[in-house]
Amino acid sequence: DAGVTQSPTHLIKTRGQQVTLRCSPKSGHDTVSWYQQALGQGPQFIFQYYEEEERQRGNFPDRFSGHQFPNYSSELNVNALLLGDSALYLCASSIPGQGTGELFFGEGSRLTVL
Amino acid sequence: GDSVTQMEGPVTLSEEAFLTINCTYTATGYPSLFWYVQYPGEGLQLLLKATKADDKGSNKGFEATYRKETTSFHLEKGSVQVSDSAVYFCALILYGNKLVFGAGTILRVKS
Repeated sequence: DAGVTQSPTHLIKTRGQQVTLRCSPKSGHDTVSWYQQALGQGPQFIFQYYEEEERQRGNFPDRFSGHQFPNYSSELNVNALLLGDSALYLCASSIPGQGTGELFFGEGSRLTVL
Repeated sequence: GDSVTQMEGPVTLSEEAFLTINCTYTATGYPSLFWYVQYPGEGLQLLLKATKADDKGSNKGFEATYRKETTSFHLEKGSVQVSDSAVYFCALILYGNKLVFGAGTILRVKS
């Protein structure tokens, strides 16, 4: 049973560029959340997708956008990259309505902005 | 807003020592509380959880009790092993599945 998979694992961009990160949820999960983890910090919630719509959003600017596809996979897009966007981006999947708080995380995509 | 504060690390212990990692929270309601662990080279994974006051979560020898009166959820283990070396995150959920994490505590266990 494949867990949450993310791609790419590492990438380097320059300021002002755009990036797209991808996530496939754990089998049987249809809700995907994205988190940003800066070095030495805990993950910060970006947004959550369910039924191809953004359901919840954290305190991130509109430069951060996402998408969920009919097969439940998801993309995170970040436009006009800033140095401060350098972080580990984590995707997590879950089953909605459980209310258990048990999220299954991928290993993340490490973004470096130069 | 809702927040989680956990003790700063790194925490360095010898094998078989007793572990405590402190965690306190601030929330407008009655959250569910979690400990997640991040082993080197792996994704975050749920270690244990508690959904209401006085509940005790436990897994792999780790325990934590939801204390509403002190708004705390301290993680404990009686005898740590080298394989417990990891980063531990305390977290809460109030609504939906939006987790609010603490900054994490690095645990290093020496043989």
